[in-house]
Amino acid sequence: ENVLTQSPGSLSLSPGERATLSCKASQSVSSSYLAWYQQKPGQAPRLLIYGASSRATGIPDRFSGSGSGTDFTLTISRLEPEDFAVYYCHHYGTSPTVTFGGGTKVEV
Amino acid sequence: EVQLVESGGAVVQPGGSLTLSCAASGFTFNDYAMHWVRQPPGKGLEWVALISWNGGITSYADSVKGRFTVSRDNSKKSLYLQMDSLRPEDTALYYCAKDRISGIWASKIFDPWGQGTLVTVSS
Repeated sequence: ENVLTQSPGSLSLSPGERATLSCKASQSVSSSYLAWYQQKPGQAPRLLIYGASSRATGIPDRFSGSGSGTDFTLTISRLEPEDFAVYYCHHYGTSPTVTFGGGTKVEV
Repeated sequence: EVQLVESGGAVVQPGGSLTLSCAASGFTFNDYAMHWVRQPPGKGLEWVALISWNGGITSYADSVKGRFTVSRDNSKKSLYLQMDSLRPEDTALYYCAKDRISGIWASKIFDPWGQGTLVTVSS
C-alpha cells in the first residue's frame, strides 16, 4: 500500500496569502496518479486536481498542483475566504486499491 | 446537474447488517464505474469499494473484504452497499461517488460525491 503523508497537519493563514500543501508518498506514484480534494465543514469532498496538475471542471486557476514521483504539492496562490477547508491528497494508481492522505486543514 | 443521494444509514448493533443505497441522476449512470468512500466522524477519508459500469468488476478495501458487497441496478440508476458483520470501527459517513471517466476502466478519481449517509455501529 502506498502511504500518503500530508504536511503540515494544519496551516494558519490570512485571506490573500499563499498556501503550500505537501503530500509525500511512500512509493513512487506512477504516471502522476495523484489527486487533491477540498472538504468544507458539513460538506462532501470536491475534486480539485487530478493527474497531479490538471484542474477539475470549474476549479479556479488560483489552485494549482505540481510534483512527481513521491513528492506532490497543492498551491493556492491567493487565499479567498471560501478556501479555508481541509485538503486531502489521493493516490488512485493502477492497483485495485486507493489511498488518501490524512489531510491538511487550512484555517484563518 | 449530476446528483447522488445516499440513504439507508442507521444505528445498528455490532454483528448486524445494513444496506445503503445511492440514487443517481443527471448523467448516463450505466456509462460510469461507481464507488463508496467512508469517513469516520472527525477523521479522514477511506475508500471502501468500487463497481464497474456493468457490475462485472468489483473491488474492496481489505478492511471490508468478505463483509461488504457492492452492487448496482442500472435500470434504476442505483448503487448499493450491503454491509454484514458490522463492527464499531465501521461507524462513518458513507459517500457514494461517481468515477470521473466513463467507460470500461475505472479511473478511481471521484467526481462528484453525494452528501453521505451516516452509519453508527453501537450496542
